[in-house]
Amino acid sequence: EAGVAQSPRYKIIEKRQSVAFWCNPISGHATLYWYQQILGQGPKLLIQFQNNGVVDDSQLPKDRFSAERLKGVDSTLKIQPAKLEDSAVYLCASMTSGRAGEQFFGPGTRLTVL
Amino acid sequence: LAKTTQPISMDSYEGQEVNITCSHNNIATNDYITWYQQFPSQGPRFIIQGYKTKVTNEVASLFIPADRKSSTLSLPRVSLSDTAVYYCLVGGITGANNLFFGTGTRLTVIP
Repeated sequence: EAGVAQSPRYKIIEKRQSVAFWCNPISGHATLYWYQQILGQGPKLLIQFQNNGVVDDSQLPKDRFSAERLKGVDSTLKIQPAKLEDSAVYLCASMTSGRAGEQFFGPGTRLTVL
Repeated sequence: LAKTTQPISMDSYEGQEVNITCSHNNIATNDYITWYQQFPSQGPRFIIQGYKTKVTNEVASLFIPADRKSSTLSLPRVSLSDTAVYYCLVGGITGANNLFFGTGTRLTVIP
C-alpha cells in the first residue's frame, strides 16, 4: 500500500513570498489533515478535511494560510505572504473514516523562510 | 480538548523495558488514547491505541487504569533504533479533539 505523498520535500523562500504544498493521501482515506511542526515542538493541527469538506480549521491563520481538497483526494496548503515564523515542517496525514486515531503521516515539507 | 502531560525526556539502556506515562485528567467518556513515535525528519508513526485496561501488539503494550486519567506505554527490550520522540494523544473517533500532540517524550536508548 502506497503511503501519504508530499511535495516538495524542501522549500526555501523569502518573507512575503508565496508557497504551496501538495499532499496525496492514501487511497480511500476520507480524512485528511495538515499539521505544522516547529522545531522542538509537537505537530500542531492546522486543518482537517472529511472528503472535500472542512471539519476543523480553527487553528489555521486564515489571513495568510489557505487549504483546499478538491474532489476529496489531493490537497494543497498555501501560505501567502510567508513570515519568518512560518519556518517549520508541514505534515500531511490521512485516516480512514470511523477509525479512531490511526493517522498515516507523510514525510513532510520543510519550509525555511528567510 | 483533553490535553496531556508527559515527561520531557527519558534515557534507557539497550535491552531494558521502558515505561512512559502520560497524564490526561480531563479525558472524556468517548476519548481513545493513542501513542505515536517520531524519528527525526519523518512524520509520526502510529504505535498503539486503547480505550481501557490493556492493549498489546507486536511493538508495545498500553496500560490504562480504570479511571483512565493516565496511561502507560511499555516498550519491551528497547534497542538503539527505538530512540525517538513518543507522543500521547487523547480524543474521539471523529473531529479535531484528538489532535493535540504536545511536546512528547524524547527517549534516548544508550548502548
